[in-house]
Amino acid sequence: EAGVTQFPSHSVIEKGQTVTLRCDPISGHDNLYWYRRVMGKEIKFLLHFVKESKQDESGMPNNRFLAERTGGTYSTLKVQPAELEDSGVYFCASSPREGSAKNIQYFGAGTRLSVL
Amino acid sequence: AQKITQTQPGMFVQEKEAVTLDCTYDTSDPSYGLFWYKQPSSGEMIFLIYQGSYDQQNATEGRYSLNFQKARKSANLVISASQLGDSAMYFCAMREGRGGYSTLTFGKGTMLLVSP
Repeated sequence: EAGVTQFPSHSVIEKGQTVTLRCDPISGHDNLYWYRRVMGKEIKFLLHFVKESKQDESGMPNNRFLAERTGGTYSTLKVQPAELEDSGVYFCASSPREGSAKNIQYFGAGTRLSVL
Repeated sequence: AQKITQTQPGMFVQEKEAVTLDCTYDTSDPSYGLFWYKQPSSGEMIFLIYQGSYDQQNATEGRYSLNFQKARKSANLVISASQLGDSAMYFCAMREGRGGYSTLTFGKGTMLLVSP
C-alpha cells in the first residue's frame, strides 16, 4: 500500500510568486492534515480536512494560504503571494476515520519550500 | 507554556547499546495520546509508537518501547540494541482529546547519532 506522497519534494520560488503543494493521502483515509516546520521551530499544525470538508483551519497563518481537497482525495495547499517567512518544510499526514489505526497520523516526506 | 518538551537536542550512542530519548508533556485533558516519530535524512516522518493516556501497559513495538510515567507526565522513548540505521531526528508529539482525529503538538526533536 502506498504511503502519503507529497509533490514537489523541493520548491524554490521568489518572493511574490505563487506555489502549489500537493498531497496524496493513503487510500481510504478520510482525515488529511497539513503541518509546517519553519527553520529552528517546532512542527506546527495548519489545517485538517475530513473528506472534502475543512474540520479545523485554526493553524493557517493568514489568507495568503489556501487549502483545498476537492472530491475528498488529494489536497493542495497554495501560497499566494509567497513571502520570505513562508520558507520551511510542509508536511501532509493522513489517518483513517475508524479502526485500530484511527489515532495514528501517517506522514509524507514533506515539501521543502524556499522563498528567496 | 510548551506542551511537549524534548530537552536533548542531540544524543550519541554506540551501536548495540540502548538509548533513552526524553519527552515531557503538559496537558489538563484526561484523554490524550503520545506519539514518537522518526525522521531520517530522507525527510519522511515515520510513525514509531503510540501510547494512550488510559493504556495500562507501556507500549512496545519491536526494539522501541515507551516508558510512560503518567504522574511525572513523561513519555520517554527507549530504543534497545541501537543500529546505525537508527540515526535520525526523533519527534515526540501529543494528541489531546478523545477524538481520533485531533491535531498533534510536536516537540523540537532530538537528533540521535549511532556510531559503529
